Amino acid sequence: QVQLVQSGAEVKKPGASVKVSCKASGYTFTDYYIHWVRQAPGQGLEWMGWINCNSGGTNVAQKFQGRVAMTRDTSINTAYMELNRLRSDDTAVYYCVRGETYWGQGTLVTVSS
Amino acid sequence: DIVMTQSPDSLAVSLGERATINCKSSQSVLYSSNNKEYLAWYQQKPGQPPKLLIYWASTRESGVPDRFRGSGSGTDFTLTISSLQAEDVAVYYCHQYHSTPRTFGQGTKVEIK
Repeated sequence: QVQLVQSGAEVKKPGASVKVSCKASGYTFTDYYIHWVRQAPGQGLEWMGWINCNSGGTNVAQKFQGRVAMTRDTSINTAYMELNRLRSDDTAVYYCVRGETYWGQGTLVTVSS
Repeated sequence: DIVMTQSPDSLAVSLGERATINCKSSQSVLYSSNNKEYLAWYQQKPGQPPKLLIYWASTRESGVPDRFRGSGSGTDFTLTISSLQAEDVAVYYCHQYHSTPRTFGQGTKVEIK
């Protein structure tokens, strides 16, 4: 069965970077895009961008351009989302998503001094 | 960007009664090439990732109870829960995957009256 397993919770200081991983299993990794969506505490869902796991091409929401890098390692079926220059309002649960159906369990990133 | 606006923000419905959530997109989410509406509905319970209920505006995801029905076209869509059950208490989101940036409605909280 399709599974997306994300890395564990992180606590970072403002200005630092965080890299969240998303390990896929149960399907051919390079056949699909992976999207990244985040949710601030008590708030709604915000799409950050996608990565084509075959070509490595990305499409990042304008809000995050210059601050987000989406990469993948096809040898271990894992996608990554790195967010730089963290601010307190980046505190959120970050999800990786395949298509519309399959979501990772989420990774809480807390940004606090 | 396509703005998704849900109404109401919250609603309380008696067990066994109907719940109706509306979603309006600022632009059409119809692809004329395949005549499909690129609109999905999600259910999210506390501490969990969103769960896909409906895609293509009206196609129920496998395993979703038939009391959940999606309808609508163009820019106006509806999620109907025909007979509310206790386990349906959640926040519901509409989502357009027609174009990037992908966007979500702000969410509708459904509670038991």
